[in-house]
Amino acid sequence: GAVVSQHPSWVICKSGTSVKIECRSLDFQATTMFWYRQFPKQSLMLMATSNEGSKATYEQGVEKDKFLINHASLTLSTLTVTSAHPEDSSFYICSAEQQGGWNEKLFFGSGTQLSVL
Amino acid sequence: GNSVTQMEGPVTLSEEAFLTINCTYTATGYPSLFWYVQYPGEGLQLLLKATKADDKGSNKGFEATYRKETTSFHLEKGSVQVSDSAVYFCALSVSGGYNKLIFGAGTRLAVHP
Repeated sequence: GAVVSQHPSWVICKSGTSVKIECRSLDFQATTMFWYRQFPKQSLMLMATSNEGSKATYEQGVEKDKFLINHASLTLSTLTVTSAHPEDSSFYICSAEQQGGWNEKLFFGSGTQLSVL
Repeated sequence: GNSVTQMEGPVTLSEEAFLTINCTYTATGYPSLFWYVQYPGEGLQLLLKATKADDKGSNKGFEATYRKETTSFHLEKGSVQVSDSAVYFCALSVSGGYNKLIFGAGTRLAVHP
């Protein structure tokens, strides 16, 4: 099946620094990608919808200036956590929609564990 | 609001045991229901789905029935294998598309020989 590569798989950073997470669709083009966040023992929560060539759509309560999303090509979306703080420590997952699909055409990355010291 | 509640893990079973992972939901309208599985080091994969009441989704020996009266979509397998060890996520969609998938917290399953 289709593959979505997410990098890095884990990252540790100091408070106040910025961290970039990449999400690539390796063998298909994705006009739409999604970013999720999961805190320990909580549900996977949709943060934002990333659309190629346009601004991302953020869910209620997600700070768009803190979580910068760029989807400059049909195979790459990036999430930058700016000025990270310990409360941003979480598991971040991306997914990419293969065009013309139903939910079985949604492919997920393996996630990024972010730890902010 | 819309939400999904799963039983807390981890669930630890011996090989060939019967598996049930409970999932209940709250939703407006008529959601579609899904089970996703995440094997170690991999992304989530769709395991099965059901789009209307009384539908049964099945795949790889797993099955789940959409029960509107109990707002449930419990995952079952008659005989688990070590290779089934993974994290299982129940999810719903009220929009019929990807953009509003709502997930449960996930349930880790560990199967021992």
